[in-house]
Amino acid sequence: DIQMTQSVSSLSASVGDRVTITCRASQTITSYVNWYQQKEGKAPKLLIHAASSLESGVPSRFSGSGSGTEFTLTISSLQPEDSATYYCQQSYSTPFTFGQGTRLEIK
Amino acid sequence: QVQLQESGPGLVKPSETLSLICSVSGGSMSRYHWNWIRQPPGKGLEWIAYIYYNGNTNYSPSLKSRITISIDTSKNQFSLKLSSVTAADTALYYCARLRADSSAYFDAFDIWGQGTMVTISS
Repeated sequence: DIQMTQSVSSLSASVGDRVTITCRASQTITSYVNWYQQKEGKAPKLLIHAASSLESGVPSRFSGSGSGTEFTLTISSLQPEDSATYYCQQSYSTPFTFGQGTRLEIK
Repeated sequence: QVQLQESGPGLVKPSETLSLICSVSGGSMSRYHWNWIRQPPGKGLEWIAYIYYNGNTNYSPSLKSRITISIDTSKNQFSLKLSSVTAADTALYYCARLRADSSAYFDAFDIWGQGTMVTISS
């Protein structure tokens, strides 16, 4: 199985901050990584697919980058509604696997 | 737009079989992989299995011996059966659509149901 490891389990930032969340794969997955946002009591929502493609309807302050084994999700200017848990996920091979999640708190 | 809705018992006894159905509305099941994903309380996401619209399946190795997944495209539904459940199977179970990319390879889970909580307890 491919293991996905997110660099931090939680972080706290202020409105307007630039926030970066990192995800590392245990083997190369080219660009087959996706990012999801999960708010409390809700299903995950797709933000970024194929490492850097913004899903339709997602605000442009969200962006993704990386390839191979290192990937990042960046929020350019944090908004109050961005308080959530963020997950990376690889679709390179089955079993599909997720990172453990990064809980983002707004100060 | 396509919507997914999970249904099934919220409480299952240990050693019994958990059965869930995902109903797909607003679109066709053709040319997509249909998935089950679960999330234990306070924990992360675990992929369980997928079934393609033509019936091809792929299961998580850790659960493979206990899973049966099936599809009925005439009813726009797919289902999950998980046998010999224990407390460790207590989770919020989601169904989700897996989209393919332009090369027809796996892309992302683009549509999710709201999830259904299943508790394993006597």
